[in-house]
Amino acid sequence: NAGVTQTPKFQVLKTGQSMTLQCAQDMNHEYMSWYRQDPGMGLRLIHYSVGAGITDQGEVPNGYNVSRSTTEDFPLRLLSAAPSQTSVYFCASSYYPGDSYTFGSGTRLTVV
Amino acid sequence: GIQVEQSPPDLILQEGANSTLRCNFSDSVNNLQWFHQNPWGQLINLFYIPSGTKQNGRLSATTVATERYSLLYISSSQTTDSGVYFCAVEKDTGNQFYFGTGTSLTVIP
Repeated sequence: NAGVTQTPKFQVLKTGQSMTLQCAQDMNHEYMSWYRQDPGMGLRLIHYSVGAGITDQGEVPNGYNVSRSTTEDFPLRLLSAAPSQTSVYFCASSYYPGDSYTFGSGTRLTVV
Repeated sequence: GIQVEQSPPDLILQEGANSTLRCNFSDSVNNLQWFHQNPWGQLINLFYIPSGTKQNGRLSATTVATERYSLLYISSSQTTDSGVYFCAVEKDTGNQFYFGTGTSLTVIP
């Protein structure tokens, strides 16, 4: 049982490049979400999904896209990377909205 | 959104000491969770506690929803307790969590 798996763990991008951060869970959790963590600001919700085919925006969605074609996977796409997107990104999941969260180990992204 | 304030922002303890971390929130919530982020960055769920009191070993938590605060107690602290403790609240189920900025705990031997 791997829990929540995020790849890659580290990534350096040039401004304007695009990329996809992967998140997969094997716990049959319906609810999945993406957060970014910046120094001194805690975690902020980017996008979330309450089930396959359903996504919604969180607190800071601009510059990011998501899709949820399966229960297991919830990729986060950066369309055109900007230095302001330098952050640590966490994926989290739970059986249902409001249940106890399980976090992935994070992806540290640097945009130069 | 909901404002979540945690105190103190930083805390240094001698191993074996006890501590209380506080989380205040600005609106009624139906979900509150405490997390520990270890020095390697991993976030671990400690408690799911929208109200009442729970205990898990040396850690316990109490949420008084009517007064909009939660407390995390750490007893007999160990160096492995070091890290950042976050409180997160959710107003409506399925909406979104709001995190506090955390309490950074350092336990020295």
